[in-house]
Amino acid sequence: DQQVKQNSPSLSVQEGRISILNCDYTNSMFDYFLWYKKYPAEGPTFLISISSIKDKNEDGRFTVFLNKSAKHLSLHIVPSQPGDSAVYFCAATGGGGNLIFGKGTKLSVKP
Amino acid sequence: KAGVTQTPRYLIKTRGQQVTLSCSPISGHRSVSWYQQTPGQGLQFLFEYFSETQRNKGNFPGRFSGRQFSNSRSEMNVSTLELGDSALYLCASSLQGADYGYTFGSGTRLTVV
Repeated sequence: DQQVKQNSPSLSVQEGRISILNCDYTNSMFDYFLWYKKYPAEGPTFLISISSIKDKNEDGRFTVFLNKSAKHLSLHIVPSQPGDSAVYFCAATGGGGNLIFGKGTKLSVKP
Repeated sequence: KAGVTQTPRYLIKTRGQQVTLSCSPISGHRSVSWYQQTPGQGLQFLFEYFSETQRNKGNFPGRFSGRQFSNSRSEMNVSTLELGDSALYLCASSLQGADYGYTFGSGTRLTVV
């Protein structure tokens, strides 16, 4: 039973355009959500997070939106750059000390 | 500051053997978690240690165990290795736990033959 789902295994966008990565969750006890980026042969790198008391968090080119009623969050990257090409993981926690990860979305940004 | 260090980077073991993986967290971080990454299952939580105590455990068989030392360094042990244990094992550290954001190491790639 997947509690965190990333339904798009891959996404391709043109350089300079917006990348939108989506994530759905089922557990209403989750109160903190994170996005990680991962390159091959490296560990995931923390990108941005959002608490359940907020609906938006922004950090430079990265913005995360949270829709609690829909149990949905999204990561917007504007403008997308070729260096953003990586696998993006959505993760959630309910304060239990562990992260529940989605299976990831592979983003390819074409020059 | 130094990041999370995992050793070894690569490991090849035979079915039935056991293996120990090591993780040195960021200085000052007291929470250490372990994750298994496989192509089919993605990143799955194994266990979390905080101040030498296992605080959380995922749904893995008892062959998977870990411990944390007083200097916060952690080890993970897998006994009676199976082919399905082949994976990237990632260690992550945090000041207090998941809400503070985890910093991951580069992982240990374990291949069981």
